Amino acid sequence: DAGVIQSPRHEVTEMGQEVTLRCKPISGHDYLFWYRQTMMRGLELLIYFNNNVPIDDSGMPEDRFSAKMPNASFSTLKIQPSEPRDSAVYFCASTLLGVPDTQYFGPGTRLTVL
Amino acid sequence: DAKTTQPPSMDCAEGRAANLPCNHSTISGNEYVYWYRQIHSQGPQYIIHGLKNNETNEMASLIITEDRKSSTLILPHATLRDTAVYYCIDGNTGKLIFGQGTTLQVKP
Repeated sequence: DAGVIQSPRHEVTEMGQEVTLRCKPISGHDYLFWYRQTMMRGLELLIYFNNNVPIDDSGMPEDRFSAKMPNASFSTLKIQPSEPRDSAVYFCASTLLGVPDTQYFGPGTRLTVL
Repeated sequence: DAKTTQPPSMDCAEGRAANLPCNHSTISGNEYVYWYRQIHSQGPQYIIHGLKNNETNEMASLIITEDRKSSTLILPHATLRDTAVYYCIDGNTGKLIFGQGTTLQVKP
């Protein structure tokens, strides 16, 4: 199994630009999670989906952030417009069954907003 | 905010057992204890979980006290590759709330 796949691995953009991060979960997993990690705030859960439906988006910082899961094998996290404070590593994770959950994390996307 | 409390850092000699403590002062009866670790620049990696009983797998052992207010992750023979940030988490909603974790430095 290839594991959770994220793209791009690195993204550098300028303030105000739209950024789209992509995630392919492990085949057959029915939960998908998006996290953000910064030095100041650590690892934060942004949103998670079950069977392609958003269950909890309380961690999404503001309306500039949106996430979609159009099918079981693909999800996107979009930031529009991007700001320097959005610079972070964004991780996607997936799991089969919600509780107890052994989440499998992708390698992350390192986003730098100039 | 994270519900667990861990020491910020620990050292361990290579080949010795690493015992990482965690306090779960607000854990409820149906919440699991999870341990993950994050090696530098990688995504977090699941290690082990438990509810009430002690657990062991190929990576580690998990000891949970009878009152479930604390747990200990044991790496029986630590190697340099075990240097990482170790997170303990308790919950049952499918959401993992990560704290700051314990940075374990395994030294030769």
